[in-house]
Amino acid sequence: DAMVIQNPRYQVTQFGKPVTLSCSQTLNHNVMYWYQQKSSQAPKLLFHYYDKDFNNEADTPDNFQSRRPNTSFCFLDIRSPGLGDAAMYLCATSRGGQGGNLFFGSGTQLSVL
Amino acid sequence: RKEVEQDPGPFNVPEGATVAFNCTYSNSASQSFFWYRQDCRKEPKLLMSVYSSGNEDGRFTAQLNRASQYISLLIRDSKLSDSATYLCVAYTGTASKLTFGTGTRLQVTL
Repeated sequence: DAMVIQNPRYQVTQFGKPVTLSCSQTLNHNVMYWYQQKSSQAPKLLFHYYDKDFNNEADTPDNFQSRRPNTSFCFLDIRSPGLGDAAMYLCATSRGGQGGNLFFGSGTQLSVL
Repeated sequence: RKEVEQDPGPFNVPEGATVAFNCTYSNSASQSFFWYRQDCRKEPKLLMSVYSSGNEDGRFTAQLNRASQYISLLIRDSKLSDSATYLCVAYTGTASKLTFGTGTRLQVTL
């Protein structure tokens, strides 16, 4: 089945130790998103790619970076995780022009010790 | 003021009841709206799209009031399986921006 896959499902890292979360999709969607969601809060958009064009939200900390080497893959790099970065990280895709109809991966729950 | 506001609930309703959630948005440039369902510790999943005045799908009805800038979701004949958090989303195409509300939690009981 075509889908959005995130690995790992759970990630534990140490304070300040770089971590990379990955996302892949078989939907051939040209738009990919990274959201951060903390408990009982709305998903917060960190950045998105429209094809190769990278769009950073103004309030996304510099500690968060992203790479999209090709249509299918997207990575979220957290350079120096802090305790406040513990959250669920959701990758999503959409077809350009159909923004709003998002297909989410199952998320990566990040814990920072 | 948040761009998309929802009553967090929880709404506790008996099985078979009708329940309605409201969502207000502040950006008048928002063009389309969506309701997503999110189960505990799972990803959001699209429930309904609302492009014009409303949409209906089985037991679920969504309505849009642009003049008052709110969207509603009505669930008829509630099932236990409807228990979840319902996220309201506003889409602004000019900025390719999706804004989520914090969600309304629904608990359907026997």
